[in-house]
Amino acid sequence: DAKTTQPPSMDCAEGRAANLPCNHSTISGNEYVYWYRQIHSQGPQYIIHGLKNNETNEMASLIITEDRKSSTLILPHATLRDTAVYYCIATYGGSQGNLIFGKGTKLSVKP
Amino acid sequence: SQTIHQWPATLVQPVGSPLSLECTVEGTSNPNLYWYRQAAGRGLQLLFYSVGIGQISSEVPQNLSASRPQDRQFILSSKKLLLSDSGFYLCAWSGLGGSFNYGYTFGSGTRLTVV
Repeated sequence: DAKTTQPPSMDCAEGRAANLPCNHSTISGNEYVYWYRQIHSQGPQYIIHGLKNNETNEMASLIITEDRKSSTLILPHATLRDTAVYYCIATYGGSQGNLIFGKGTKLSVKP
Repeated sequence: SQTIHQWPATLVQPVGSPLSLECTVEGTSNPNLYWYRQAAGRGLQLLFYSVGIGQISSEVPQNLSASRPQDRQFILSSKKLLLSDSGFYLCAWSGLGGSFNYGYTFGSGTRLTVV
């Protein structure tokens, strides 16, 4: 799995967009970018994943650069309940890949 | 819909005692199953994964073992717990095949304290 680099912490004002960056400069052509989050004392929650196209679902948007060396998770209107540790993981899909979690970004949404 | 059950939610065990944590998945067949551990203030560490009944792969050599006696059942065990086994244990499942759409689904976790 390609190594990912994320800032250790970020703050965001409630109601504003939260943009969480991730660097994965050594990602290979068939590795996906996955985003999870972990709210305190709970199991991680899947957010979104993508290969090379931008993706959007009801939780977030994922913007992947054209060279695939970095990506940004966007929470369009952050709420206090979005305070969590966000993990960016580059791995193969399906049974070939196991999720290896790094330290993630601690996002604090403030009123 | 698929659900994952993990129990107990919390557990306090003395050093040297045995451990058995159980995880079951409903609403899917032949899932990949995983055990993770999160020590206090640290990241998630993959302990074991299984792609089928009786097939267990260990990521980190340690005091723990895993078994998969049934398709949708995954058990984490120890014969003698150590203080260092304390942590938050999470079970997860994912679909098989060349791709999957929803990533891993995690259980609610077991918080184990070894005293």
